Amino acid sequence: EIVLTQSPATLSLSPGERATLSCRASQTISSYLAWYQRRPGQAPRLLFYGASTRATGVPARFSGSGSGTDFTLTISSLEPEDFAIYFCQHRSNWPTFGQGTKVEIK
Amino acid sequence: QLHLQESGPGLVKPSETLSLTCTVSGGSISSSDYYWGWIRQPPGKGLEWLANMYYSGSTYYNPSLKSRVTTSVDTSKNQFSLKLSSVTAADTAVYYCARWHRIADSFDYWGQGTLVTVSS
Repeated sequence: EIVLTQSPATLSLSPGERATLSCRASQTISSYLAWYQRRPGQAPRLLFYGASTRATGVPARFSGSGSGTDFTLTISSLEPEDFAIYFCQHRSNWPTFGQGTKVEIK
Repeated sequence: QLHLQESGPGLVKPSETLSLTCTVSGGSISSSDYYWGWIRQPPGKGLEWLANMYYSGSTYYNPSLKSRVTTSVDTSKNQFSLKLSSVTAADTAVYYCARWHRIADSFDYWGQGTLVTVSS
């Protein structure tokens, strides 16, 4: 089973700052990685699939990159609605998820 | 816009069966491009995939739970369901239903989730 490790667990930033979130796979997974956002009380939202393909309606300030074992989700300038939990996901034999990174207001 | 909504009891007794239904609106559950899945998140823990099912009945289960999980699809009601038997406190979690995109290898729409507590 492929394990996804996200870091940091918590990221404390101010609006307007740049956020860089990491997801590392225990084995190479090519570009088969998705990123999601979960705001309190809301349904999780798909942000990226295929590591860097933006899902419908995702703002351009979000970008996904990486391949192999190391992946990054970047938010270029944090908006108030971006403070949320972000998690990555891969499907090897079955879907597995990272533990999540909480982006909180500093 | 696709919408998924989980429904079911919020409290289940130990050793009993947890039953949840996901109602899909804004799109057909009978599309060949998607699977329909269940994911859960216990308090303080990460997300765990439980099952994916196709509208025709094909199903895929998490091996760690396979002996306790049963799923079904009702295309006439645009619903799919999850049953988890012999529950314990470890099954306390927020349960999500979601749509699995076969090409994107990801869940592209999710329900808001429903908290199920296992307690006597």
